[in-house]
Amino acid sequence: DVKVTQSSRYLVKRTGEKVFLECVQDMDHENMFWYRQDPGLGLRLIYFSYDVKMKEKGDIPEGYSVSREKKERFSLILESASTNQTSMYLCASSLGLQGRTDTQYFGPGTRLTVL
Amino acid sequence: GQNIDQPTEMTATEGAIVQINCTYQTSGFNGLFWYQQHAGEAPTFLSYNVLDGLEEKGRFSSFLSRSKGYSYLLLKELQMKDSASYLCAVRDPQGQNFVFGPGTRLSVLP
Repeated sequence: DVKVTQSSRYLVKRTGEKVFLECVQDMDHENMFWYRQDPGLGLRLIYFSYDVKMKEKGDIPEGYSVSREKKERFSLILESASTNQTSMYLCASSLGLQGRTDTQYFGPGTRLTVL
Repeated sequence: GQNIDQPTEMTATEGAIVQINCTYQTSGFNGLFWYQQHAGEAPTFLSYNVLDGLEEKGRFSSFLSRSKGYSYLLLKELQMKDSASYLCAVRDPQGQNFVFGPGTRLSVLP
């Protein structure tokens, strides 16, 4: 079974702090994704990566950056946390091929609260 | 751009059948996925459609009509454990990412 893990389930930070969210997958997947999930808005893509050191902006990249130095690890960085970044953050990975094999596997999520 | 629409909430009775609709307006299409998400948990894959028609998988089936930009997820013999949110997602043909709908929260009542 594919396993996607995230560094924290719950995180509380203060406005202006730098925040690191880590995601690790163990199935040698090419693609990795960071989403945030808010009530009524569904999952919105922040950034994704299709290869080591490669990254693409999603729909809402403002206020975030990412790092992928190793294939299995994809980090989301909030340079200066703000209260409107309070949300559930979900990491996902996929094999990167077309069709059914492009199914995304999600981590358990990190619920971030910015005070 | 891409827009995906689903009903916000639905309620059904244990043992019944429920159909959850998803409509999409996209600049292209390269497959549609359905995911199930229980409260406080990660989404998990349910089904995939890329051609028109019905895909059946046990109690769950998913239908696609590309010409109408429409899909539905059909759940039969509903069980209490089916209470969850159901997410529709369309794959972007230009790249590797997906666009998700807002999700439908299904409540199964005894």
